[in-house]
Amino acid sequence: GIQVEQSPPDLILQEGANSTLRCNFSDSVNNLQWFHQNPWGQLINLFYIPSGTKQNGRLSATTVATERYSLLYISSSQTTDSGVYFCAVDQTGANNLFFGTGTRLTVIP
Amino acid sequence: NAGVTQTPKFQVLKTGQSMTLQCAQDMNHEYMSWYRQDPGMGLRLIHYSVGAGITDQGEVPNGYNVSRSTTEDFPLRLLSAAPSQTSVYFCASARGSNYGYTFGSGTRLTVV
Repeated sequence: GIQVEQSPPDLILQEGANSTLRCNFSDSVNNLQWFHQNPWGQLINLFYIPSGTKQNGRLSATTVATERYSLLYISSSQTTDSGVYFCAVDQTGANNLFFGTGTRLTVIP
Repeated sequence: NAGVTQTPKFQVLKTGQSMTLQCAQDMNHEYMSWYRQDPGMGLRLIHYSVGAGITDQGEVPNGYNVSRSTTEDFPLRLLSAAPSQTSVYFCASARGSNYGYTFGSGTRLTVV
């Protein structure tokens, strides 16, 4: 089956710093989504981004489908950005997501 | 809009008991899915539905049943609970195959 690797596994940032999270996948995909799981366990959809670049406030994402990777950029990080960031992909066309193991981000004041 | 609502939030079962985890969405989404999350891991797909009356198996379907009689509801049934089913269960919905998923707040299930 498809492999989804996220890096780094853990990241500690000072408030105000910028960061880049990476998601590599081993096969072509129809669909790629980024999620943030906050410390209380809630999963929030950040981006639906099978290709191209999107921006939402301090967050932006780029997917280069032909090279099988996606990047999530967080600028001017805040303590509320802490949590686990998941990349998830779908190969089936039925929006069946296969999740990576996540990047745990800790932002310290 | 309540979004995706899951009940209960917490549940403790004894081995062999059965129960139903409820999931409802009020966004008129066609696609609904159930995932489980085990400690330190990403989410794994249990069952999914692309519309009322249509369900199919995901990556880890054994021990679980689903049905989709309405667009709004997608309950997950544990037939005979086992300790290996201790997990956090998430329900999610999406407008279609090319849209992002909205997740419920999860049900934390412990089987003793």
